[in-house]
Amino acid sequence: EVVMTQSPATLSVSPGDRATLSCRASQSVNSNVAWYQQRPGQAPRLLTYGASTRATGIPARFSGSGFGTEFSLTISSLQSEDFGVYYCQHYKNWPPQYTFGQGTKLEIK
Amino acid sequence: QITLKESGPTLVKPTQTLTLTCNFSGFSLSTLGMGVAWIRQPPGEALEWLALIFWDDDKHYTPSLKSRLTITKDTTKNQVVLVVTNVDPVDTATYFCAHIATMPTSSNYYYAMDVWGQGTTVTVSS
Repeated sequence: EVVMTQSPATLSVSPGDRATLSCRASQSVNSNVAWYQQRPGQAPRLLTYGASTRATGIPARFSGSGFGTEFSLTISSLQSEDFGVYYCQHYKNWPPQYTFGQGTKLEIK
Repeated sequence: QITLKESGPTLVKPTQTLTLTCNFSGFSLSTLGMGVAWIRQPPGEALEWLALIFWDDDKHYTPSLKSRLTITKDTTKNQVVLVVTNVDPVDTATYFCAHIATMPTSSNYYYAMDVWGQGTTVTVSS
């Protein structure tokens, strides 16, 4: 089973600054990684999939990258609404199975 | 517009069976490529995928809970039901259902959870 490890656990960033969140897979997963944002008290929201494709309606300041075992989500200029917990997710094609990372909390500095 | 809404009991006793329902609109679960997943989140913890069902009734479960989970669909009612047997306090969580969309990528497809319900909170306690 693939394990997704996110770092750091908590990231403190000032509005307007850049934030980079990391996710490492325990074995190669090609580009089968998505990122989700979860604001307090809300359901998760899909940000990117296929490692780097932005989902519909997601601002261009969110960008995903990576392949194999190392992935990252970069937010180029943090807005107040971007703070929350971010999860990476691996999708295994067969048998179909999802694995989430443990999350990175992005907080206001 | 796709929407999903979870429902079920808020309190369940240990060893009982938990039945959760996901009512959805905006898509048909008999359409090629469609799917619905169940995910849970214990208080203050990370997301955990539980089960999924595709348009062709293909079903898959997280290995650690497979013996306790059953997912079914009723396409006429636009519903997906998840049954969790023999619950324990560690099953206390918010349970979400999500629409699975087939997203083409540069090299393949990604079955992404693109729309989520608001979640329903379940407490397991005697």
